[in-house]
Amino acid sequence: DAKTTQPNSMESNEEEPVHLPCNHSTISGTDYIHWYRQLPSQGPEYVIHGLTSNVNNRMASLAIAEDRKSSTLILHRATLRDAAVYYCIPQDGVNAGKSTFGDGTTLTVKP
Amino acid sequence: GAVVSQHPSRVICKSGTSVKIECRSLDFQATTMFWYRQFPKQSLMLMATSNEGSKATYEQGVEKDKFLINHASLTLSTLTVTSAHPEDSSFYICSAEGTDTQYFGPGTRLTVL
Repeated sequence: DAKTTQPNSMESNEEEPVHLPCNHSTISGTDYIHWYRQLPSQGPEYVIHGLTSNVNNRMASLAIAEDRKSSTLILHRATLRDAAVYYCIPQDGVNAGKSTFGDGTTLTVKP
Repeated sequence: GAVVSQHPSRVICKSGTSVKIECRSLDFQATTMFWYRQFPKQSLMLMATSNEGSKATYEQGVEKDKFLINHASLTLSTLTVTSAHPEDSSFYICSAEGTDTQYFGPGTRLTVL
């Protein structure tokens, strides 16, 4: 499994954009980059995933570096409900198999 | 998105008893499900991969005789913690493999007294 590096914690103000970085320098060519988030006392929730091109959905955007060794999850307008632990996980193939969770980034959103 | 449920959401049991946790995919069929464990202030740790109609595959260090997994149908996997002890107290989370992502259950909080 590709190793990932994420900052332990980040802070944001409500209504402002948040950029959550992830380094995955050992990613293989067939690994998709998945992002999940976990709110307190809940199971993880899917956020977004991509392979090479930048991706957008209703929750967030995913910007993938050209060399694919890093990616950035973008929350365009943080809300208090976005406070969670965000995990970046490379997974082999488009079919998501088992996930190896790192420590993730704890996002705090200030009102 | 797809929905995965777990039952019970929390359970308290006495040391030495067994506890069964159910994981259901409510609106899709899941050939493969996964079981994770999460201790306080730690990340999720994969325990085992549950395959419908076959034996589960356990991660290194996870005792297969203690954590019994059954995946008898395409919508249900169960995890039984046998002879539970206080050190088994944890947050147990299942997930079901979809076509493009995993769908996680809400988790089960197990407390062993």
